[in-house]
Amino acid sequence: GDSVTQMEGPVTLSEEAFLTINCTYTATGYPSLFWYVQYPGEGLQLLLKATKADDKGSNKGFEATYRKETTSFHLEKGSVQVSDSAVYFCALIHPGNQFYFGTGTSLTVIP
Amino acid sequence: DADVTQTPRNRITKTGKRIMLECSQTKGHDRMYWYRQDPGLGLRLIYYSFDVKDINKGEISDGYSVSRQAQAKFSLSLESAIPNQTALYFCATSPGGDTQYFGPGTRLTVL
Repeated sequence: GDSVTQMEGPVTLSEEAFLTINCTYTATGYPSLFWYVQYPGEGLQLLLKATKADDKGSNKGFEATYRKETTSFHLEKGSVQVSDSAVYFCALIHPGNQFYFGTGTSLTVIP
Repeated sequence: DADVTQTPRNRITKTGKRIMLECSQTKGHDRMYWYRQDPGLGLRLIYYSFDVKDINKGEISDGYSVSRQAQAKFSLSLESAIPNQTALYFCATSPGGDTQYFGPGTRLTVL
């Protein structure tokens, strides 16, 4: 069945450091891929998405590229801020089907 | 006003009690979902509904039931709560097969 595996946390970085959170997936066909972010005490919010191979999703300085050959969708940001501290979830969906979420990666950015 | 609301936001109850968690949305979406979030396990799907007459079991439906009272309302019930149902519960909506929009969550503690 479909599944998502993302790197375990927690991740702690200094402000302005480079961020990578790895995500790989297992799925038949061509799912859409997502990164969601959960700030403390809140629900999940869509951060970015990509719907086909080689697409790059981007938002708020975060980027992720849909790599079909490596079944990956790694999240990157060149310079993190304290306000980026949150839990990040990778997810996939086949259109019309249900979502599969990774286990989440907690990021803490220290000044 | 929030597009997806959940009540209550926090609930403490005792083993064996019946509990109902409610979700309302003003987004006009047909699809609604209930998830639970546990540390280290990410989000797992409990039930989902694609319209008022459609109810589907998710990955972990045992011990839970749902009711779709209207397009805008989707309730989750625990008929006889047990301690391992202590978790953070999220409702989500979707216009169809793609991005999901999450409520703020309900923190449930079963003693």
